[in-house]
Amino acid sequence: AQSVTQLGSHVSVSEGALVLLRCNYSSSVPPYLFWYVQYPNQGLQLLLKYTSAATLVKGINGFEAEFKKSETSFHLTKPSAHMSDAAEYFCAVSDPGTNAGKSTFGDGTTLTVKP
Amino acid sequence: KAGVTQTPRYLIKTRGQQVTLSCSPISGHRSVSWYQQTPGQGLQFLFEYFSETQRNKGNFPGRFSGRQFSNSRSEMNVSTLELGDSALYLCASSPGTTTGELFFGEGSRLTVL
Repeated sequence: AQSVTQLGSHVSVSEGALVLLRCNYSSSVPPYLFWYVQYPNQGLQLLLKYTSAATLVKGINGFEAEFKKSETSFHLTKPSAHMSDAAEYFCAVSDPGTNAGKSTFGDGTTLTVKP
Repeated sequence: KAGVTQTPRYLIKTRGQQVTLSCSPISGHRSVSWYQQTPGQGLQFLFEYFSETQRNKGNFPGRFSGRQFSNSRSEMNVSTLELGDSALYLCASSPGTTTGELFFGEGSRLTVL
């Protein structure tokens, strides 16, 4: 069974500071990993994905994540936070193949950006 | 390209009633998945349909059902509503290939009184 653990349900940073949102996964097969963002009263939007190619993945809005198999981690980073980054972020894992449409999500991390 | 469209966006029902939610996927996407989002349980997978067949199913009671039509549009139905069914129901579509990325609609917010 797959699982995702997001460390820290709330993260607060100052505008311009580094954003680091942590995600650890558990999977019996090489996983696909994703980060999604959700703004209030909206659905989720894909930020970036890892599908066994390059371990450093770049996404939209200046976010990137690094897949570290030895640490079973897929942490999300952004060098400089912007006020518009305030949202809830979800890490997700899925099995390749027929389970592609079934993802397991973490509990989410709410990012607050202080001016 | 139009995104995933869910209707209705908001609805209020009473216990014991049933509800049907609709989802129109991105054109060309053959897979539609449904998720329930609540503050207490987070995002939980309900089911996935691919080419009109249920391909995956989550751990929800039989009161939750779904279907997919030949044009890939999908509906989910919840019968005999309970207070705990109050949630944001999210539909997501994907091309149906193995990459697994999901494209979400804005959700249908169901309140059960």
